[in-house]
Amino acid sequence: EAGVTQFPSHSVIEKGQTVTLRCDPISGHDNLYWYRRVMGKEIKFLLHFVKESKQDESGMPNNRFLAERTGGTYSTLKVQPAELEDSGVYFCASSQVRGKNTEAFFGQGTRLTVV
Amino acid sequence: AQSVTQPDIHITVSEGASLELRCNYSYGATPYLFWYVQSPGQGLQLLLKYFSGDTLVQGIKGFEAEFKRSQSSFNLRKPSVHWSDAAEYFCAVARRAGGGNKLTFGTGTQLKVEL
Repeated sequence: EAGVTQFPSHSVIEKGQTVTLRCDPISGHDNLYWYRRVMGKEIKFLLHFVKESKQDESGMPNNRFLAERTGGTYSTLKVQPAELEDSGVYFCASSQVRGKNTEAFFGQGTRLTVV
Repeated sequence: AQSVTQPDIHITVSEGASLELRCNYSYGATPYLFWYVQSPGQGLQLLLKYFSGDTLVQGIKGFEAEFKRSQSSFNLRKPSVHWSDAAEYFCAVARRAGGGNKLTFGTGTQLKVEL
């Protein structure tokens, strides 16, 4: 069974450009999470989807970030326009909605560098 | 608000030596606790988790952790470290959120293993 897959693995863009990150969760996982780690800091929650609905987007930094999950399958995270402080590693995770003991499986992350 | 503290940013141990990575959390109720590991170029992998029951939990790769409510700690241990354990380790706490678990991470501990 395929794990959580993220594309691209690395992205280098200029300030002001737009970047779209993609996450393909494990098949059948209704929960999908985005996290971000800025260099030297902790991994921070961005938002949580249950199927196609945003359950919690309290961690989204500002309105330059837009997350979507069309049809409750893969998700995209768009940054427009990108700023220098958006650089970091963006992780996606997915889990099943089954009782309380749900383990989150993480992708390998997308390293975003804004120059 | 919940928080996680990993006081050691870097730790170096000799191969074959024992290891303990510290984790303290702040949370109002009984937490769900996790340890994740990230090896170079890899995503986050779950080592072990605590939800309830026995406070000493066993994980993969020979790791274990003990939940101590009185100390608000969930330290990770391994009796004999292997060179392949060199990686970054993250402690995390979760509260149930919409059928899943939204994670709050510590800043991570980078483990170096000397041969």
